[in-house]
Amino acid sequence: QQQVKQSPQSLIVQKGGISIINCAYENTAFDYFPWYQQFPGKGPALLIAIRPDVSEKKEGRFTISFNKSAKQFSLHIMDSQPGDSATYFCAASPDSSYKLIFGSGTRLLVRP
Amino acid sequence: EPEVTQTPSHQVTQMGQEVILRCVPISNHLYFYWYRQILGQKVEFLVSFYNNEISEKSEIFDDQFSVERPDGSNFTLKIRSTKLEDSAMYFCASIPVGQTPFFGPGTRLTVL
Repeated sequence: QQQVKQSPQSLIVQKGGISIINCAYENTAFDYFPWYQQFPGKGPALLIAIRPDVSEKKEGRFTISFNKSAKQFSLHIMDSQPGDSATYFCAASPDSSYKLIFGSGTRLLVRP
Repeated sequence: EPEVTQTPSHQVTQMGQEVILRCVPISNHLYFYWYRQILGQKVEFLVSFYNNEISEKSEIFDDQFSVERPDGSNFTLKIRSTKLEDSAMYFCASIPVGQTPFFGPGTRLTVL
């Protein structure tokens, strides 16, 4: 019940395309859902986050869609760029603890 | 912009040896965490620390592990007797109240 399931494991997108990464959770106590971007040899860096009181949040080219009833959320990267090539992790936490449960990660490659 | 720093960036040790990984969290943050990431796998929660004591720990955080905040600035993770399977990236994170964790760049631990 503490798991966050992430798919796909890897993704190749052409420059300018849309990258979509999906996550699902079971624990209804989760109420904070961040996405992290990680480059090789670096720590995870917060990209965008959402709470379940909204169904969508957009920041620049990055959008989170959240479906509370289905317990799913996804990251959309519009106009994907080669510089977006990285590993993306979804995560979830019950706000009371701030402890993050991470998904397994998606390696995104954006071809020029 | 303030950031979480970690030292060393890479630690090589022999199996059975003790290691201490150091972190300097962001100064006004109150919650501190250690996570680890085995190569190619997801980021896993180890332990959280608040008000000078452990607030939560995972199954991974057994008696071989300990954390300390010895001087009000540094936050350390000690592994008493390292095993081969402790080889991983170890990330420190700190959190101000009501916000998302800020991760350090990580320490790569290699146990031979």
